[in-house]
Amino acid sequence: GQQLNQSPQSMFIQEGEDVSMNCTSSSIFNTWLWYKQEPGEGPVLLIALYKAGELTSNGRLTAQFGITRKDSFLNISASIPSDVGIYFCAGHGSSNTGKLIFGQGTTLQVKP
Amino acid sequence: DGGITQSPKYLFRKEGQNVTLSCEQNLNHDAMYWYRQDPGQGLRLIYYSQIVNDFQKGDIAEGYSVSREKKESFPLTVTSAQKNPTAFYLCASSIIVGNQPQHFGDGTRLSIL
Repeated sequence: GQQLNQSPQSMFIQEGEDVSMNCTSSSIFNTWLWYKQEPGEGPVLLIALYKAGELTSNGRLTAQFGITRKDSFLNISASIPSDVGIYFCAGHGSSNTGKLIFGQGTTLQVKP
Repeated sequence: DGGITQSPKYLFRKEGQNVTLSCEQNLNHDAMYWYRQDPGQGLRLIYYSQIVNDFQKGDIAEGYSVSREKKESFPLTVTSAQKNPTAFYLCASSIIVGNQPQHFGDGTRLSIL
């Protein structure tokens, strides 16, 4: 089945630094979604991408849908302590069953 | 406010017992989903429903059952056949099944007594 590889697995950064994480797939995806999850809560949708090459921002967050349709990245600029959490990429594959495939998550910790 | 409500927040199960997790949405979404989350892992799909009175098995359906009698509600039963039920369970919904973002509830944490 389709799988997503998300990296890095975890990051520990200083407040104010920029952050970059990415997801890759062995097969083509039709959509890419980025979620943030805080402890004990459900994932919250940050950015949704629908077209290859699409670059979308949401405040300090920017995500791109890779040209090959097999990857996506998320950047966070000027990190702040409330950025702490687990970031998941997810995507809909070419089978169009509607099933979302999730990456394993990137745990972000920000030191004030 | 529109959203997805899961209850209870915490649930404990005894050996041999079935337990039911509630999920209600007022977003008027046709599609609903149940995921299981284990530490350090991504979300795995248990069951999903495209429309009322319809549901399909996901990747890890064994030991679980669902019903979809109303558009707003998609309860999940963790049966005694599920030998390793301790996990964080997340319910989600989307407008339709397809290339649509899914929106999640705040989860139910199930533990074994």
